[in-house]
Amino acid sequence: DAGVIQSPRHEVTEMGQEVTLRCKPISGHDYLFWYRQTMMRGLELLIYFNNNVPIDDSGMPEDRFSAKMPNASFSTLKIQPSEPRDSAVYFCASRVAGAGELFFGEGSRLTVL
Amino acid sequence: QKEVEQDPGPLSVPEGAIVSLNCTYSNSAFQYFMWYRQYSRKGPELLMYTYSSGNKEDGRFTAQVDKSSKYISLFIRDSQPSDSATYLCAMSAGGGNKLTFGTGTQLKVEL
Repeated sequence: DAGVIQSPRHEVTEMGQEVTLRCKPISGHDYLFWYRQTMMRGLELLIYFNNNVPIDDSGMPEDRFSAKMPNASFSTLKIQPSEPRDSAVYFCASRVAGAGELFFGEGSRLTVL
Repeated sequence: QKEVEQDPGPLSVPEGAIVSLNCTYSNSAFQYFMWYRQYSRKGPELLMYTYSSGNKEDGRFTAQVDKSSKYISLFIRDSQPSDSATYLCAMSAGGGNKLTFGTGTQLKVEL
């Protein structure tokens, strides 16, 4: 298996622009998670899905952030409009139900100028 | 105050040393404890997973959980340069859906 696949790996954009990050979880995994990592705050859970349904979005910082999972093999995290404080590495992770291990992608490094 | 506290380091040790990495936490509901290793520009990968208190050993790695002190540790024996990475502790109250991570300790093992 190729693991969790994220794109783009790097994104540089200007304040106010829309950013879309993409994730393909491992086939057969029931849960998908979006995390954000910064030096100051570490890894923070933004939202997670179970069987494509959003279960908990309490970590989404504000209405500028939205996430979707239209099918079992694809999810997006959108930021509109983007701000410099959104600069971070965004990770997608997936796991099977009943298992503790999260499998992370390699992350999308976002820089908002 | 953060729910999980972890010294950011960096921690630099010579090859072959025993490394001790630690986290403290404040939420007594945490029952599942994990250590993840993260290489530079990569995603975290699970290293150790323990439930409740006690020790767990896997090769050169030993994880310890002391729930009475709200303190967890990861020991690395005979450290190698390939162990150079950031180590993240993580914990959850149930099941592992909402993991709370420490900010990570950067470890460098030098030849």
